[in-house]
Amino acid sequence: SQTIHQWPATLVQPVGSPLSLECTVEGTSNPNLYWYRQAAGRGLQLLFYSVGIGQISSEVPQNLSASRPQDRQFILSSKKLLLSDSGFYLCAWSVDSYEQFFGPGTRLTVL
Amino acid sequence: QKEVEQDPGPLSVPEGAIVSLNCTYSNSAFQYFMWYRQYSRKGPELLMYTYSSGNKEDGRFTAQVDKSSKYISLFIRDSQPSDSATYLCAMSGSTGGFKTIFGAGTRLFVKA
Repeated sequence: SQTIHQWPATLVQPVGSPLSLECTVEGTSNPNLYWYRQAAGRGLQLLFYSVGIGQISSEVPQNLSASRPQDRQFILSSKKLLLSDSGFYLCAWSVDSYEQFFGPGTRLTVL
Repeated sequence: QKEVEQDPGPLSVPEGAIVSLNCTYSNSAFQYFMWYRQYSRKGPELLMYTYSSGNKEDGRFTAQVDKSSKYISLFIRDSQPSDSATYLCAMSGSTGGFKTIFGAGTRLFVKA
């Protein structure tokens, strides 16, 4: 069966510090991978998606970046966090389907 | 105008009530309509899926799509406290997940 992992579960970081969130998927090959941010009352905002290793598409201009160094690994990064980067970050995967499978999320607070 | 509009609530109902959750949308190209359920501090999980117009029933849950009105609904019968969660509508014009648009989510509280 397929499993998706995200870590850390919670993170508190000062403004201006770097960020690295990691997501890994087990039990499937060549998945589409997604990073979303969820803010209260604003739904899921798609940040990045990837259809293969090294292939990243950005949906929203921001100070975040994403990388996919391996088939089932997706990393969200920032060199300098802003207050507005606070939120609930979700990784998801899909394989040629309307359905996306979400990870448990990372709650990021930037102080 | 947002592509998908959903009232964030919160919606509070007594146990056993019928719950109606709704979304409107503007993009007539949407063909796949989904409802995700998200418990507090968890990732969303797919609850119901409908292709094009019509109704779909699964136990206490019924999803309806009216493409002529660009309006979708989720009904929950005999609501239970365990149904307390945020419900997000989502829609797409294709099976490619990167084209899925999510609503803001409606927070539902079912009181025992």
